[in-house]
Amino acid sequence: EAGVTQFPSHSVIEKGQTVTLRCDPISGHDNLYWYRRVMGKEIKFLLHFVKESKQDESGMPNNRFLAERTGGTYSTLKVQPAELEDSGVYFCASSHRGGANGAFFGQGTRLTVV
Amino acid sequence: AQKITQTQPGMFVQEKEAVTLDCTYDTSDQSYGLFWYKQPSSGEMIFLIYQGSYDEQNATEGRYSLNFQKARKSANLVISASQLGDSAMYFCAMREVRNFNKFYFGSGTKLNVKP
Repeated sequence: EAGVTQFPSHSVIEKGQTVTLRCDPISGHDNLYWYRRVMGKEIKFLLHFVKESKQDESGMPNNRFLAERTGGTYSTLKVQPAELEDSGVYFCASSHRGGANGAFFGQGTRLTVV
Repeated sequence: AQKITQTQPGMFVQEKEAVTLDCTYDTSDQSYGLFWYKQPSSGEMIFLIYQGSYDEQNATEGRYSLNFQKARKSANLVISASQLGDSAMYFCAMREVRNFNKFYFGSGTKLNVKP
């Protein structure tokens, strides 16, 4: 079974540009999450999808961030326009509905805004 | 207020020895879950072990055990017989039942296993 896959693994962009991160969850997982780790700090929740619906987006930093999950399958997280403080590692995770024992994480996308 | 605190940014341990990674948490909920994840240099986050707040026994998974002290709100990870492949970042996390799908993570501990 394929795990959670994220693309790209690394991205370096200039301030003001747009970047789109993609996450392919484990097939059949209704729950999809985005998290972010800014250098040296804790991993913070961004948002949670159940299928195609945003269940909780309380962690999204501001309106420069837009997440979508088309048809309840893969998800994208777009940052437009990117700022320096957006640099960090963006993790995607997925789980079964009601998944009790944690979630499965992808390898993360390391975003560097210069 | 920070929900999960990991006070050890970095740790060293000799191969084959045991090591304890500290984690304290903050919640007013009675029902919650505690998790440990491992992040090797390849980047993926690997689920290691889970402890429910109502579980009376400490969770164990192979060489991993969770030293759960509810009154002290601590959930330390113990790795026995360390191996070189244990070198990685380790994250403690919590999930509260009232917000079941949101994990709170600590800042992580970088473990280095010396040969």
